Amino acid sequence: GAGVSQSPSNKVTEKGKDVELRCDPISGHTALYWYRQSLGQGLEFLIYFQGNSAPDKSGLPSDRFSAERTGGSVSTLTIQRTQQEDSAVYLCASSFSGTGSSGYTFGSGTRLTVV
Amino acid sequence: AQSVSQHNHHVILSEAASLELGCNYSYGGTVNLFWYVQYPGQHLQLLLKYFSGDPLVKGIKGFEAEFIKSKFSFNLRKPSVQWSDTAEYFCAVNDVDSSYKLIFGSGTRLLVRP
Repeated sequence: GAGVSQSPSNKVTEKGKDVELRCDPISGHTALYWYRQSLGQGLEFLIYFQGNSAPDKSGLPSDRFSAERTGGSVSTLTIQRTQQEDSAVYLCASSFSGTGSSGYTFGSGTRLTVV
Repeated sequence: AQSVSQHNHHVILSEAASLELGCNYSYGGTVNLFWYVQYPGQHLQLLLKYFSGDPLVKGIKGFEAEFIKSKFSFNLRKPSVQWSDTAEYFCAVNDVDSSYKLIFGSGTRLLVRP
């Protein structure tokens, strides 16, 4: 596609439920990132996939968070047993190369609300 | 661990005023530097980036930034702001020695009054 596609755009879930957020990066982009943007906060790094390398999961806030990237393309971020503090906009970004020399393209995000 | 600091969280300017937003990073190795902008209700967009060469980088919409290695800084500037520059600005660093992981600062909200 022309850009990074994220779905759903909005998700309201009850506390304790699991959610899956999807990111479809630009075709051919080898690097894929997930960030979380909370109200009044910056972009908090969550996880980074680069080609076939093991992902950098150092930003995941707890073991309730996990992500996978299938076939080097689509990525899914899963949050288990959601809590109210998980409410945020979850952003995905991709880049043609790991260096970012071509820039990073961001999706429009998924706004997650846990009630 | 690598970190990025943006000292001004909120900036309010009148149109035609000059702008400088501070950005400092903690890592002493080789880094690439970026400024992104997020207009209200829109995606993050790249304003400019520095990888090597001339430390004064020109970006879109009249923005520029200067990389000062000795100060670990990459401040964003614009000589004369417009109301349409109202947005949130993010500095970001990717660390060559850490597989280019991209880390963002906390952002600066700029409000330009007409």
